[in-house]
Amino acid sequence: EIVLTQSPDTLSLSPGERATLSCRASQSVSTSLAWFQQKPGQAPRLLIYDASNRATGIPARFSGSGSGTDFALTISSLEPEDFAVYFCHQRWSWPLTFGGGTRVEVK
Amino acid sequence: EVQLVESGGGLVQVGGSLSLSCAASGFTFSNNWMGWVRQAPGKGLEWVANIQEYGSEIHYVDSVKGRFTISRDNAKNSLFLQMNSLRAEDTAVYYCAREMKRDYGPFDHWGQGTLVTVSS
Repeated sequence: EIVLTQSPDTLSLSPGERATLSCRASQSVSTSLAWFQQKPGQAPRLLIYDASNRATGIPARFSGSGSGTDFALTISSLEPEDFAVYFCHQRWSWPLTFGGGTRVEVK
Repeated sequence: EVQLVESGGGLVQVGGSLSLSCAASGFTFSNNWMGWVRQAPGKGLEWVANIQEYGSEIHYVDSVKGRFTISRDNAKNSLFLQMNSLRAEDTAVYYCAREMKRDYGPFDHWGQGTLVTVSS
């Protein structure tokens, strides 16, 4: 099983600041890595797939990078609606797995 | 507009069974892998099972193998999850999700979820 480790657990930032979230895989997932955003009481929303491709309708302030075992999600300038929990997810091999999540909170 | 609507959640005792359904609309259901993902209260996401477009390939997380069965009815645009021998640790919101129509998904549309509570 591929274990995805996200860091940090919590990121405390102010609107307008840059957020960088990390996801490390226990073995290579090539670029088969996705990022999801989840707000309280809502289903997850796909932000990034194939490590760096924005999903339909996702603003350009969200970007993804990485390959192999190390990945990052960057939010260039936080908007009020971006404060949420973010999960990474690998679709490279079975069983599919998710990271434990990073909470981005208002400082 | 893609819509996924889960139903069938509820309260069940340990050892009991429950059947979840997901009604899909707004896309050609038989063109996509589908899956179930769950989230225990206050916890992260856990993938449960996936099924190929015509049901010829199915995968489960180890913790549900032999207890849960994923299936689909393409004629009725529906996805199912039969859950038997339920345990307290199966308590979660269960999401139905569609994978992108391509190799290696991932899930691009999710339902609103249905809560399953397994009580001892």
